Amino acid sequence: NAGVTQTPKFQVLKTGQSMTLQCAQDMNHEYMSWYRQDPGMGLRLIHYSVGAGITDQGEVPNGYNVSRSTTEDFPLRLLSAAPSQTSVYFCASSYSKWSVQYFGPGTRLTVT
Amino acid sequence: KQEVTQIPAALSVPEGENLVLNCSFTDSAIYNLQWFRQDPGKGLTSLLLIQSSQREQTSGRLNASLDKSSGRSTLYIAASQPGDSATYLCAVGALIQGAQKLVFGQGTRLTINP
Repeated sequence: NAGVTQTPKFQVLKTGQSMTLQCAQDMNHEYMSWYRQDPGMGLRLIHYSVGAGITDQGEVPNGYNVSRSTTEDFPLRLLSAAPSQTSVYFCASSYSKWSVQYFGPGTRLTVT
Repeated sequence: KQEVTQIPAALSVPEGENLVLNCSFTDSAIYNLQWFRQDPGKGLTSLLLIQSSQREQTSGRLNASLDKSSGRSTLYIAASQPGDSATYLCAVGALIQGAQKLVFGQGTRLTINP
């Protein structure tokens, strides 16, 4: 199993540009989530999904959209990038909502 | 509001020592607690998961305990090695505003000196 994969690993955007961060898992996990990690702030939940077709907001959802059309994929869309969205983004998945969380390697995003 | 605190923020010890990392949380209504390891520039790796009904979990040289009533968890690392150097994060699983969420501490950066 590849586990949780994320692409790209690094990305630089200009303010106002849009992009999609990709996340995929091959473990047939129902629960998937997106976090951002910032110095001094820890990891904060952006959006999560409890299954295909079901998504909900986390702690810091503004400026981000998600969809879950398949069990495997959970892309995160930045609608109009802002410098405040400079961060490291992690995708995670788990078999059920209270089981072990598996994290991807992260995407380091810089918005100039 | 559920808050998770890890003290100290950084710890440096010589190789071979046994050590304890601390995690505290403000609301005892949790479903589980996980300890993760994060190497520089990498993702998080789950080390141990303790369900709310459990008191401890062990994996190799690692032992994690949970005391819900006092809002505390400890991660015990025996016979530390330079390869244990990393940032260790704890996270509690809780229902917050009706939704399941992991609330993370800010981590303890551990350095094991050869």
